[in-house]
Amino acid sequence: QQPVQSPQAVILREGEDAVINCSSSKALYSVHWYRQKHGEAPVFLMILLKGGEQKGHEKISASFNEKKQQSSLYLTASQLSYSGTYFCGTSLHPGNNRKLIWGLGTSLAVNP
Amino acid sequence: DAMVIQNPRYQVTQFGKPVTLSCSQTLNHNVMYWYQQKSSQAPKLLFHYYDKDFNNEADTPDNFQSRRPNTSFCFLDIRSPGLGDAAMYLCATSRPSGGPYEQYFGPGTRLTVT
Repeated sequence: QQPVQSPQAVILREGEDAVINCSSSKALYSVHWYRQKHGEAPVFLMILLKGGEQKGHEKISASFNEKKQQSSLYLTASQLSYSGTYFCGTSLHPGNNRKLIWGLGTSLAVNP
Repeated sequence: DAMVIQNPRYQVTQFGKPVTLSCSQTLNHNVMYWYQQKSSQAPKLLFHYYDKDFNNEADTPDNFQSRRPNTSFCFLDIRSPGLGDAAMYLCATSRPSGGPYEQYFGPGTRLTVT
């Protein structure tokens, strides 16, 4: 039940917006978003737990739809530092939320 | 600063020569993970520990073993590395269930097999 991330890759100019989606065929318990720069470890961005939830930090925000089968990550007014691969990690049950099922990642390149 | 430390950062080993990767954490987290990540792929979970409770993924090859002698340290042993085991190995920690909680990753060990 690996989540499906789309798009696979995005190229932006600095200042443009992007949306990355993470979809599941089953209702999810939680969605985690991480960003990984080339050659570095993944870095946590946020967790969404409740249907209809929206979270944000500065110009990066995310939502979890009411059915809890899709989460979207919104990057507004992108900066060069946003470049990297974005992964969603999902869990299906509260009793098994230590393990994440990872999507294949979305590669984001922000150019000047 | 509290953190997850992995040593070495780069490891070169010969085909079939055993190798051990280490991970330590100062976060006092109960849960520790080992992931394998190949180029342009998602991290693949190999094992995780909840305290000393060891959880092996069904598709983790027998060639991979792990030890966690105490809360702070965890080791990944590759008994007979093959060329296909060349990858980045990531250690991560998190707080125990009751969350969900974020995972804190170490910087990784890049393993090369010659």
